[in-house]
Amino acid sequence: QSVLTQPPSTSGTPGQRVAILCSGSSSNIGSNVVNWYQQLPGTAPKLLIYTNNQRPSGVPDRFSGSKSGTSASLAISGLQSDDEADYYCAAWDDGLNGPVFGTGTKVTVL
Amino acid sequence: QVQLQESGPGLVKPSQTLSLTCTVSGGSVSSGDSYWSWIRQPPGKGLEWIGYMYYTGSVYYNPSLKSRGSISIDTSKNEFSLKLTSATAADTAVYYCARAYRDIHPYFDYWGQGTLVTVYS
Repeated sequence: QSVLTQPPSTSGTPGQRVAILCSGSSSNIGSNVVNWYQQLPGTAPKLLIYTNNQRPSGVPDRFSGSKSGTSASLAISGLQSDDEADYYCAAWDDGLNGPVFGTGTKVTVL
Repeated sequence: QVQLQESGPGLVKPSQTLSLTCTVSGGSVSSGDSYWSWIRQPPGKGLEWIGYMYYTGSVYYNPSLKSRGSISIDTSKNEFSLKLTSATAADTAVYYCARAYRDIHPYFDYWGQGTLVTVYS
């Protein structure tokens, strides 16, 4: 029931930079902020980025977020093997009066 | 540091009610800065918001549940619960409880470890 679209997968070698795009609509990303969650294998999601580009305490500055119009992007620079995970964008949806999540992107470190 | 822990049956029969409880520690369900939420993830799939409740009693559900969902808070036990009636195989998922920080733009900053609920016949 995801209404935010992400690429299913992306990959990179250690040290590279990868970016994940999240596409939405005027009722979610277009009018609200975007948050990003990292889900390591077999674990619960973890807040990675909130309010478009803010990092919670403890999240490395290798992770950065941005938003433009009805799309958002998560960038991971200096890719590390520990970054192998699923990444989900999320935004409040005005019609739903609750959050919608992206379809998720699996990041593989080659 | 808020911690959340889900508990409840791991197996539910079709048409029965799925019931889960989330115990909160390190914080209070009566906190004015929190929405207490349920989110689920079917095996191998993405995340779906189920609903959230504010301690005042305000509650919001995902319309996709078609009015089957019910969230409640027990301030005396510092926990909140989910009930999902008329369970079907489509409700098989890992269920997470989470705290949404009640900012102008809420975000989920604390999550439980998740509990797998299987609806089987």
